[in-house]
Amino acid sequence: AQSVTQLGSHVSVSEGALVLLRCNYSSSVPPYLFWYVQYPNQGLQLLLKYTTGATLVKGINGFEAEFKKSETSFHLTKPSAHMSDAAEYFCAVRTTTDSWGKLQFGAGTQVVVTP
Amino acid sequence: DTGVSQNPRHKITKRGQNVTFRCDPISEHNRLYWYRQTLGQGPEFLTYFQNEAQLEKSRLLSDRFSAERPKGSFSTLEIQRTEQGDSAMYLCASSFSTGALGYTFGSGTRLTVV
Repeated sequence: AQSVTQLGSHVSVSEGALVLLRCNYSSSVPPYLFWYVQYPNQGLQLLLKYTTGATLVKGINGFEAEFKKSETSFHLTKPSAHMSDAAEYFCAVRTTTDSWGKLQFGAGTQVVVTP
Repeated sequence: DTGVSQNPRHKITKRGQNVTFRCDPISEHNRLYWYRQTLGQGPEFLTYFQNEAQLEKSRLLSDRFSAERPKGSFSTLEIQRTEQGDSAMYLCASSFSTGALGYTFGSGTRLTVV
């Protein structure tokens, strides 16, 4: 079975500070891992994904994440927070070996950026 | 291509009424997914289609819920005899079944049952 745990339901960061959102997963199949961002009353926008290959993945808006198999983690970082980064972030893992089958999502982390 | 389109964006209905939502996926995508998201939670899988075939249904999809994807194009999600617990954001996503491009989500339909 697959599961995703996002540590911290709310994170507050100062503008210009490091953003670090933690995600741990469990998977019985080789994992495909995703980070999505959701702005209020909107759908999910893909930030980045890991499928195979390089374990450091760069995404949009200056975000990156590193897949660490030994730690079953896929933490999301951004060196310098911007006010526009205030949103909810979801980590997700695929649930089957089928390339694009259903995803299992974490509960989300709400990011607040303070001036 | 304007991405995945969902209509309506918002729906308020009285308990016991039936509602239907529509999703228009990216035209080249052969897979279409429905997820439900309640307040403060991540999306939960409901069902998905490959072309017109419904391949999997979650146990969350009670017999009051039905989804269709005629001719493998747009999809509809109908909820009969709505209950207050059905209040949620209903998200649609589409993808190819293979390849590296992944999923594209729509903006969702927010349902409020009063």
